[in-house]
Amino acid sequence: DTAVSQTPKYLVTQMGNDKSIKCEQNLGHDTMYWYKQDSKKFLKIMFSYNNKELIINETVPNRFSPKSPDKAHLNLHINSLELGDSAVYFCASSPSSGPSSYNEQFFGPGTRLTVL
Amino acid sequence: QKEVEQDPGPLSVPEGAIVSLNCTYSNSAFQYFMWYRQYSRKGPELLMYTYSSGNKEDGRFTAQVDKSSKYISLFIRDSQPSDSATYLCAMSGRRSSASKIIFGSGTRLSIRP
Repeated sequence: DTAVSQTPKYLVTQMGNDKSIKCEQNLGHDTMYWYKQDSKKFLKIMFSYNNKELIINETVPNRFSPKSPDKAHLNLHINSLELGDSAVYFCASSPSSGPSSYNEQFFGPGTRLTVL
Repeated sequence: QKEVEQDPGPLSVPEGAIVSLNCTYSNSAFQYFMWYRQYSRKGPELLMYTYSSGNKEDGRFTAQVDKSSKYISLFIRDSQPSDSATYLCAMSGRRSSASKIIFGSGTRLSIRP
């Protein structure tokens, strides 16, 4: 009964390959996010979707393309992988409205991507 | 200059000590201040959040925000080995899900038994 799940957990691939990471949440949240965490633990937002609509699109290379088939899923496709793409990628979700005074983000376990 | 600055540590203290973790920030529009805890090989989880200035206490944890100094702190009393983790401060300007959360780089904390 994992709240936010990601697959795969580990991904090792060669430079130039194309890969996808999948994310699913069963919390009924409207908003989902992709974050990148580098080797120094710096966590930076990449994209956010609200009800399948892109609402945050940070300055990331257009080799990265998010896709949200429905509000419970947000996938990340990466073309032409580069060495600098090696990082841990976290998916997160949050409710866009509700009784709480702050929309807490719930993170998945992360996907550790290594580009060789 | 980064919007949020946090000493990466590592910080190592004996069990039972009081721990103080801090962040400074530059954007005066931030109103929501959070602390996330991240265990090794896991995703961050929200520990505490505070709106605007003031203190908030939850068990052994106390969060403080001083907006005039653009400085936030997290205090851990009676620290336990299970508190060993990376602590990330985070902040945003609005409650809306469209508002970005800006994270600090995290402080790695180790509690020695």
